[in-house]
Amino acid sequence: AQSVTQLDSQVPVFEEAPVELRCNYSSSVSVYLFWYVQYPNQGLQLLLKYLSGSTLVKGINGFEAEFNKSQTSFHLRKPSVHISDTAEYFCAVTKGSYIPTFGRGTSLIVHP
Amino acid sequence: GAGVSQSPRYKVAKRGQDVALRCDPISGHVSLFWYQQALGQGPEFLTYFQNEAQLDKSGLPSDRFFAERPEGSVSTLKIQRTQQEDSAVYLCASSLESNTGELFFGEGSRLTVL
Repeated sequence: AQSVTQLDSQVPVFEEAPVELRCNYSSSVSVYLFWYVQYPNQGLQLLLKYLSGSTLVKGINGFEAEFNKSQTSFHLRKPSVHISDTAEYFCAVTKGSYIPTFGRGTSLIVHP
Repeated sequence: GAGVSQSPRYKVAKRGQDVALRCDPISGHVSLFWYQQALGQGPEFLTYFQNEAQLDKSGLPSDRFFAERPEGSVSTLKIQRTQQEDSAVYLCASSLESNTGELFFGEGSRLTVL
């Protein structure tokens, strides 16, 4: 079974600063990796995904993530955050069953 | 609308009551998933349908939880004899058949059991 670890439950950052949200997974087989964002009282929305190919994946709203197979990581980054990026971010992984397993989430709090 | 629709958005139930939560997936999406999201936690898998077939129900926490999708479109999650620990947001998501795990989520149904 795969599991997903999001190392930080909360990440505070000032507006226009860079941010990295960490995600590690455990799986011995090839996986697909995802980051979802959840704004208050809304459902989850896909930010970006890694299926194959280039390990650097670009998503919506200026976010990107890098797949590192040797470190089993898929960290999310943004070079300059906005107040509107304040939300909950979830890393997810799937393998053969195509049933995504989610991490517990990281709350990104952007201060003015 | 074109997205996944869930109802009710909010439900308050007394302990012991039965509840039913509805999910209307995106038209043409073959796969449908139910997740449970407790406060401050990530979504936890409950069950998965492909068309009307329930292919995986390993995440259902007890036999009080039951899900169906009789015509391969709308799905209902039923919880019998609700208990306080059932309080959570229940998320429904759908995806295309050739799925790689990319899900389209509804806004969820928040259940509070008193």
